[in-house]
Amino acid sequence: KQEVTQIPAALSVPEGENLVLNCSFTDSAIYNLQWFRQDPGKGLTSLLLIQSSQREQTSGRLNASLDKSSGRSTLYIAASQPGDSATYLCAVLSGNTPLVFGKGTRLSVIA
Amino acid sequence: DTAVSQTPKYLVTQMGNDKSIKCEQNLGHDTMYWYKQDSKKFLKIMFSYNNKELIINETVPNRFSPKSPDKAHLNLHINSLELGDSAVYFCASSPRPGGTGELFFGEGSRLTVL
Repeated sequence: KQEVTQIPAALSVPEGENLVLNCSFTDSAIYNLQWFRQDPGKGLTSLLLIQSSQREQTSGRLNASLDKSSGRSTLYIAASQPGDSATYLCAVLSGNTPLVFGKGTRLSVIA
Repeated sequence: DTAVSQTPKYLVTQMGNDKSIKCEQNLGHDTMYWYKQDSKKFLKIMFSYNNKELIINETVPNRFSPKSPDKAHLNLHINSLELGDSAVYFCASSPRPGGTGELFFGEGSRLTVL
């Protein structure tokens, strides 16, 4: 059974810092991995989708990497801004099982 | 235009009542989902429909009944509401079954059962 863990649960950084969010999964036989952003009281916005054959994906200041063999993904945020404050969720698709979510990392970027 | 829209956004009701949440997507996707986010913010799938057919039902009480009149709509009806049903319910859609494509979420419907 796939399990997804995100560390840390919460993170607070000053504006301008580069930061890394971590996601690990127990079953390395995945189809893809997605990073989402959730703002308070809002839905989930897809940030990056990495297929199992890919090593990384980039969108603007965001870079997500995938290491299937070790069961890990990282989301790198460059030059963080207060507007980046949100909860970041990692979700993994493997086999015929539904997307499995981690519990998220709550990020606060302090101006 | 909102891609995945849910109504109502907030719902407060008494135990034992029956309520429905509606979801519509205008993305032309074949697959739609209902997820439940509990008080600890943990997201878990409830149902998945592909082109109006149920493909995933994840050990959800049969008080919950999804209905898909067409592939752009997936509604969730809940009978005999219980306190533990209080949560945020998210609808999502994907271009392919099993979520192999990107998932797009609605803004959620916060259900409070008193």
